Amino acid sequence: AQSVTQPDIHITVSEGASLELRCNYSYGATPYLFWYVQSPGQGLQLLLKYFSGDTLVQGIKGFEAEFKRSQSSFNLRKPSVHWSDAAEYFCAVLMDTGRRALTFGSGTRLQVQP
Amino acid sequence: EPEVTQTPSHQVTQMGQEVILRCVPISNHLYFYWYRQILGQKVEFLVSFYNNEISEKSEIFDDQFSVERPDGSNFTLKIRSTKLEDSAMYFCASSVLSSRGYTFGSGTRLTVV
Repeated sequence: AQSVTQPDIHITVSEGASLELRCNYSYGATPYLFWYVQSPGQGLQLLLKYFSGDTLVQGIKGFEAEFKRSQSSFNLRKPSVHWSDAAEYFCAVLMDTGRRALTFGSGTRLQVQP
Repeated sequence: EPEVTQTPSHQVTQMGQEVILRCVPISNHLYFYWYRQILGQKVEFLVSFYNNEISEKSEIFDDQFSVERPDGSNFTLKIRSTKLEDSAMYFCASSVLSSRGYTFGSGTRLTVV
C-alpha cells in the first residue's frame, strides 16, 4: 500500500539557520506531492506542490522542495529560518490512480530557537 | 483570496449526541472533502464528494457518518451518535480538480465528553 514517511518527528533549528525536512513516499509511479504547514490551532496551509516538470519547486514564505524520483523523496528546504516558521509541517501525496484522497505523513514539528 | 469557511470553530458535545459540522467551500470548486486529525496524530481522509454523491470514503467513514450538500453553498458532515474517540479536529477542503491540490478550512475542533 502507498505510504508517506516523515522520518523526523521533531526538529529544532536556530533562527537564521537552514532547514531541510524529509519526506519519502512509496508508490510505483510518480504521485502528486504537497507540503502543508499547520500553526498551532490553525488549519492546513499549502506551501507548495509538485505535479510534473521542473523538479525544484518554489513555494510561499521562502520555502522550496526538490522531487528526486530515484530516492522517492520530496524534501522541503528553507535557506534561513525565521521564528515565525515554528509549526508542524506535513508532506502529502495524491496517487495518480483516480483516487482523490490525500495521504499525509505523520508530520514534523519545527521549533526555532532565538 | 478565496477561503473555505468552517463553523463552528469549536464544538463540545455529549457522547451519543448528533453533531453537524458545517463548511462553505470555495464557490467554483467541484470536489469537497472531509478529513480529521486526532490530537497528536496524522491527518486522515474521511470522504470525498462530487456531483452530489460520495465518490470515495475511508474505512473510518462508517454508518455513523454522513455528508450532505443541502444547498448550493454548504457542505456538512453529520456524526449521528458521537463517541469519545470522535474527538478530533475536522477539516473541510475543496478543489477545482481532484488532482490540483486542495484548499483547507481552518477546522472545527470537536470535543466529545
